[in-house]
Amino acid sequence: ETGVTQTPRHLVMGMTNKKSLKCEQHLGHNAMYWYKQSAKKPLELMFVYNFKEQTENNSVPSRFSPECPNSSHLFLHLHTLQPEDSALYLCASSQESSLNYNEQFFGPGTRLTVL
Amino acid sequence: GQNIDQPTEMTATEGAIVQINCTYQTSGFNGLFWYQQHAGEAPTFLSYNVLDGLEEKGRFSSFLSRSKGYSYLLLKELQMKDSASYLCAVRPNSGAGSYQLTFGKGTKLSVIP
Repeated sequence: ETGVTQTPRHLVMGMTNKKSLKCEQHLGHNAMYWYKQSAKKPLELMFVYNFKEQTENNSVPSRFSPECPNSSHLFLHLHTLQPEDSALYLCASSQESSLNYNEQFFGPGTRLTVL
Repeated sequence: GQNIDQPTEMTATEGAIVQINCTYQTSGFNGLFWYQQHAGEAPTFLSYNVLDGLEEKGRFSSFLSRSKGYSYLLLKELQMKDSASYLCAVRPNSGAGSYQLTFGKGTKLSVIP
């Protein structure tokens, strides 16, 4: 298994749909992240979980709802999205410790299109 | 606020050397990362600088000057496969809970024959 996997890779949904994005990391890391990547914009951090506890929520609208049932899995539940939410959603993980770079390892992303 | 600037696009010739600059203004500083992202793929870690100076790793080197809020990524002996976006990211905070990275918009590098 590769380090960080995401499913689905592509998703098209209507504004009234409910869907979920899934992320799984096989690296034994203790922190997981959701990012949004839109064209011509920087990567935007949405949520951070450390040891399954949410530690960051960067003013993300409530139509995005994260869930972290254990340190290996992370979900992003989507509900009544807007067309401007169309973007690439990236999951990442890292091992937070004072002994290393704490670099983040990214999954391949889910390309989301909201109609 | 946090602000990271890098050129939007660059073009360089195969076999040449290219330098991608990054300047930052952040509320704190606890390390600077460079990531490579090929179109349609995940960003992958290239380098990390927390102290001033040059870090060399094969064909890639990264430089940091904290007093100037400046970093560059140097790519030598360019290959066609180096065509990608290069993302500069700063970790503003340190200590427990310091997980947030602030990213620049990325520099799209095109390597031409």
